[in-house]
Amino acid sequence: NAGVTQTPKFQVLKTGQSMTLQCAQDMNHNSMYWYRQDPGMGLRLIYYSASEGTTDKGEVPNGYNVSRLNKREFSLRLESAAPSQTSVYFCASSEGEGSNEQFFGPGTRLTVL
Amino acid sequence: QQQVKQSPQSLIVQKGGISIINCAYENTAFDYFPWYQQFPGKGPALLIAIRPDVSEKKEGRFTISFNKSAKQFSLHIMDSQPGDSATYFCAARLANFGNEKLTFGTGTRLTIIP
Repeated sequence: NAGVTQTPKFQVLKTGQSMTLQCAQDMNHNSMYWYRQDPGMGLRLIYYSASEGTTDKGEVPNGYNVSRLNKREFSLRLESAAPSQTSVYFCASSEGEGSNEQFFGPGTRLTVL
Repeated sequence: QQQVKQSPQSLIVQKGGISIINCAYENTAFDYFPWYQQFPGKGPALLIAIRPDVSEKKEGRFTISFNKSAKQFSLHIMDSQPGDSATYFCAARLANFGNEKLTFGTGTRLTIIP
């Protein structure tokens, strides 16, 4: 039982490049989330998926797209990376439907030059 | 607009002392208040949580105190140990069935010194 896994762990991009961050969970959770963590800003929700087939914007969705590929996988795409997107990205999952605890992955550290 | 305000930003406590981190919220529709602990290079993990119908919850050395009228809650770590050195985030969830979004505070970096 690996929990929530994220790939890659580290990535350096040039401005304007695109990339997809991958997230998978093996806990049969319904809900999945993408956060970014910046110094002094805490964790801010980018997008979330309450269930397979649905996605909704969070607090800071601009510049990102997501895909809930199936119940296990939730990917985050940067179409044209900007230096302001330099951050640590965390994926999380929860059972949904009134459950409380969110389980976080180990994070992806992204630098955009 | 930050809906959950956390203080202090950093905290240094001697081993064996009490660490206290405070959070304040604005939205009275929040119905669940967790604290997450994060070690360097790791994702956050749930430490302890409370609902607003309870004024205090204790799990081992960790206690949440909740003041509904003041819209404040705090984390107390008793007998603080070097292994408690981490970043702590408070959070709050809106009461909306099926919507489990959390709003996080900005985090407190706690350092326990020998």
